[in-house]
Parts: sequence; C-alpha cells; structure tokens
Amino acid sequence: DTGVSQDPRHKITKRGQNVTFRCDPISEHNRLYWYRQTLGQGPEFLTYFQNEAQLEKSRLLSDRFSAERPKGSFSTLEIQRTEQGDSAMYLCASSLVVFEQFFGPGTRLTVL
Amino acid sequence: AQKITQTQPGMFVQEKEAVTLDCTYDTSDPSYGLFWYKQPSSGEMIFLIYQGSYDQQNATEGRYSLNFQKARKSANLVISASQLGDSAMYFCAMREGGSGNTGKLIFGQGTTLQVKP
Repeated sequence: DTGVSQDPRHKITKRGQNVTFRCDPISEHNRLYWYRQTLGQGPEFLTYFQNEAQLEKSRLLSDRFSAERPKGSFSTLEIQRTEQGDSAMYLCASSLVVFEQFFGPGTRLTVL
Repeated sequence: AQKITQTQPGMFVQEKEAVTLDCTYDTSDPSYGLFWYKQPSSGEMIFLIYQGSYDQQNATEGRYSLNFQKARKSANLVISASQLGDSAMYFCAMREGGSGNTGKLIFGQGTTLQVKP
C-alpha cells in the first residue's frame, strides 16, 4: 500500500518561470486537495477535486495558478510566471471520506 | 467565520510525561470535524486523531487523546508518555459540514513541541 506521492520534492526556479507539480493520490481515493504552507504557518486550502471535477477553488488561487486532475487519477498544479511570494511548500492530500485526509510529503518551491 | 486558534507557539515536555496542546475553534455549522496532525522537520503531515461534532465520546488513538469540550469550542490534544520522536510541529484543523461538504480543512498556526530527555 503506497501513500500519497508528490513530485518533485524540491524545486528551485527563477522568477517569471513556469513550474508544474504532480500529485499521485492513494489509488481508491476520489477526493484530492491542494494546500499551500508558508514558513511558520499552517497549510492553507487552494483547491479541491472530486474525481476529475474541480469543485472548489480558494481566492488564493490566482489566475497564474491552474490545477487539473484528468481521469480522476493524478493531479497537476501549475504556476505560471512565478513570483517570489509563491515560495512555499505545496501539499497534496487525498481521501475517500470526509473524516480523513492523508497528505503527501509536499513539494518545496523556492523562487529566486 | 470559521477559525482555528492555537495559542501556544512552543511547548516543552520532559520525556515520559504527558502534555496538552490547546486548540479552540469557531464555527456556526452544527456539523463539523476536528483533526490533529503532526509535522516533523521532514515536512510530511501525519494524521493523528479525529473528532466529529456529534461524537459522544472523546477520540483516542494509542497515546493520543482529544479532549473535546463542545460548549467551550475547544479540542485539546493530549499526548501521554511523551517520546523524543514526538518532537515536531502540531496542527489542529477543522472541517465544516457533513458528508456532502468538500471536506477542506482550515488549520491553526501550529504548536512546536520539544521533548526533553
């Protein structure tokens, strides 16, 4: 049994570049969440998928951010024209029911 | 508005002793769930324990128990017999709504726990 996996674990990029992160949820989980965590803070909700449908997006998810979950399996989070303020840990979580969420190891993004 | 408050930025505990991490919440939804997660320095969020708003008994999972006081809107985490490996950041989180809700979590700011040998 594998947990939630995320790739890459670390990403360093220059301001203005595009980056894409991948999340592979636990195989039978139909719910998938993206969160962002800045240093010293708790995670903040970004977006939610149920199967392939993106059902909720936070106001934190500006036009430069886009997320997909084709075929209800893995998910990608893309950030276009990165800014230094995008530097954070991006966490993915999945669940089958609402009273549990299992998190992946996160992708740490550093924008120079 | 929904909110989670953790008022202890840092806590120390002696190995083998018990420690309580505080969490208060604010919501107008009668159906909600409360979670505690542990985040070691490696960064991964590890699920510890869950309490539903309609659960009659306090949740327990091994050395972890949740002291749920609904009227006070508090959901404190109690760790018994602390171990050195318990040193980490601990987050309290809340989900509003029942099974039809998205299930997104609202997190507190966290408490850093250090266990002394």
